[in-house]
Amino acid sequence: QKEVEQDPGPLSVPEGAIVSLNCTYSNSAFQYFMWYRQYSRKGPELLMYTYSSGNKEDGRFTAQVDKSSKYISLFIRDSQPSDSATYLCASSNTGGFKTIFGAGTRLFVKA
Amino acid sequence: ETGVTQSPTHLIKTRGQQVTLRCSSQSGHNTVSWYQQALGQGPQFIFQYYREEENGRGNFPPRFSGLQFPNYSSELNVNALELDDSALYLCASSSGTSGGATDTQYFGPGTRLTVL
Repeated sequence: QKEVEQDPGPLSVPEGAIVSLNCTYSNSAFQYFMWYRQYSRKGPELLMYTYSSGNKEDGRFTAQVDKSSKYISLFIRDSQPSDSATYLCASSNTGGFKTIFGAGTRLFVKA
Repeated sequence: ETGVTQSPTHLIKTRGQQVTLRCSSQSGHNTVSWYQQALGQGPQFIFQYYREEENGRGNFPPRFSGLQFPNYSSELNVNALELDDSALYLCASSSGTSGGATDTQYFGPGTRLTVL
């Protein structure tokens, strides 16, 4: 079993839709949870990070972590064609450095 | 402020050869991590360097080695290349006193390595 599991998709939505991206993890020691966006032929860029459980909002993006169910979510409101990319969830231990990534979900937002 | 740069962009090698990939950290960053990203997969942690010392290692064999220089640039060396080493190699730099997970990692564009 992989430490971070993510449905690779692809996920295709119309412009303006609310997108829900999800991951599960297995390591109870994970305390930090991140979402990265990766465009084709580019390196990942950090979108959001959350410490422990709870929600975090930044513009159109909301990250949620439920440690009781080991579930990580990213919501994108009013999705735009420019949001089309691969979204990677990632986790790591408290004060740790070894970041474990999911496989990534490919998102297509159609104009 | 300059971003993370990597060279070369693409590289083709044959099985058994050795390769060196290079990374220049973002200005002011003292920590560099290297990741391997196979096609359709997420990045896998290889190792991290903090102030020229290896600060931790993932599940990669010893033929994967690295260096960090006084200017915090870094190299990834892979000996005895295997076909499965074909991947995108990413470096990420961050700042902080401990190089911990909370430090935002800024990724370079990667080096695409093909092993024939």
